Amino acid sequence: DAKTTQPNSMESNEEEPVHLPCNHSTISGTDYIHWYRQLPSQGPEYVIHGLTSNVNNRMASLAIAEDRKSSTLILHRATLRDAAVYYCILRAIIQGAQKLVFGQGTRLTINP
Amino acid sequence: GAVVSQHPSWVICKSGTSVKIECRSLDFQATTMFWYRQFPKQSLMLMATSNEGSKATYEQGVEKDKFLINHASLTLSTLTVTSAHPEDSSFYICSARVPGVNTEAFFGQGTRLTVV
Repeated sequence: DAKTTQPNSMESNEEEPVHLPCNHSTISGTDYIHWYRQLPSQGPEYVIHGLTSNVNNRMASLAIAEDRKSSTLILHRATLRDAAVYYCILRAIIQGAQKLVFGQGTRLTINP
Repeated sequence: GAVVSQHPSWVICKSGTSVKIECRSLDFQATTMFWYRQFPKQSLMLMATSNEGSKATYEQGVEKDKFLINHASLTLSTLTVTSAHPEDSSFYICSARVPGVNTEAFFGQGTRLTVV
């Protein structure tokens, strides 16, 4: 399975942009890059996903490197509610099923 | 977005008993659902893939006779922890994808199981 590498933790201030990096040097041509986040004692929440081009939605932006070996999740203006563990995942097709295999993620702390 | 609901949110059971956790897709049909387990301070670990109308596919190291999965309809999958022991205490989470190509996954709110 293609793996991702993320920093264990990051810290930012409220109302400032946050850039969460992810390395996936073994990504294959058909792997989509997914980002999910998990608040304490809750199930993960979808944030964004992309293949090659940068993506924007109401929650965040996803910047994908030209060689696709890394990507960055951008929260444009962090709030306290954005404090969570952020997971960068390569959606892999394993034995015909599209599985999401979670790594350790980045624990994001937002300071008021 | 689509909604996946789990029930119960938390459960406490005695050692040796069995516990059933339900996972429902409320506004879409899910031919495939996934079950995860998460211990404190750790990431989610995929346990099994639940397939509607057929047997579940278990990840390596997961005991299929202990964690019984039934996916009887397109909107319901159940996970039964049989003969539960304290080491089975964990946060169990289900997931389902809206059918289609390259769609995102939606997760239930999780079930906190405590075995005493």
